[in-house]
Amino acid sequence: KQEVTQIPAALSVPEGENLVLNCSFTDSAIYNLQWFRQDPGKGLTSLLLIQSSQREQTSGRLNASLDKSSGRSTLYIAASQPGDSATYLCAVRFGNEKLTFGTGTRLTIIP
Amino acid sequence: NAGVTQTPKFQVLKTGQSMTLQCAQDMNHEYMSWYRQDPGMGLRLIHYSVGAGITDQGEVPNGYNVSRSTTEDFPLRLLSAAPSQTSVYFCASGQGGNNEQFFGPGTRLTVL
Repeated sequence: KQEVTQIPAALSVPEGENLVLNCSFTDSAIYNLQWFRQDPGKGLTSLLLIQSSQREQTSGRLNASLDKSSGRSTLYIAASQPGDSATYLCAVRFGNEKLTFGTGTRLTIIP
Repeated sequence: NAGVTQTPKFQVLKTGQSMTLQCAQDMNHEYMSWYRQDPGMGLRLIHYSVGAGITDQGEVPNGYNVSRSTTEDFPLRLLSAAPSQTSVYFCASGQGGNNEQFFGPGTRLTVL
């Protein structure tokens, strides 16, 4: 079964620190991987999309990497701010036009 | 562009009632989909559509119907609501199934 796992489920970090969020998946034959953030009671906001042929994507303070052979992706957030507090979701498309989501990491940035 | 819009934002139903959750997008996306989000289970795909007139089932389709008569709209129908359908429902769209997906703000549904 194709699965996506995000560990830890929750993470607290002091403001200003750099941090890494993890996403692992069970099948290396992926089409692409997308990172989202979700604020409490809100919808999902797309952060970065990495195609299977790419190793990383960057947007501002965010950098997402992809290692298909090890079944892992990381989302790096530089110089964290209180506004980065949210739940971060990883979603993998395993080539069948259907996204499979992880359960997310709830990030709290401590001022 | 308004992006992906969903109505209503909140809804309370009694067991056995029917209702339609509305979803619309103004980005001329061919691919649209419905997910439900439950605590500890992540988002799960209910139904999806690759274009007007074409729909298919996702991971958890039972109890839900969809249709796609236009590119813009993709309503989700609950024919006979059950407490197990209490959840937050999200609609998403993308240029294609393998492209970046954009999500609506969600509908929080409670079935008593």
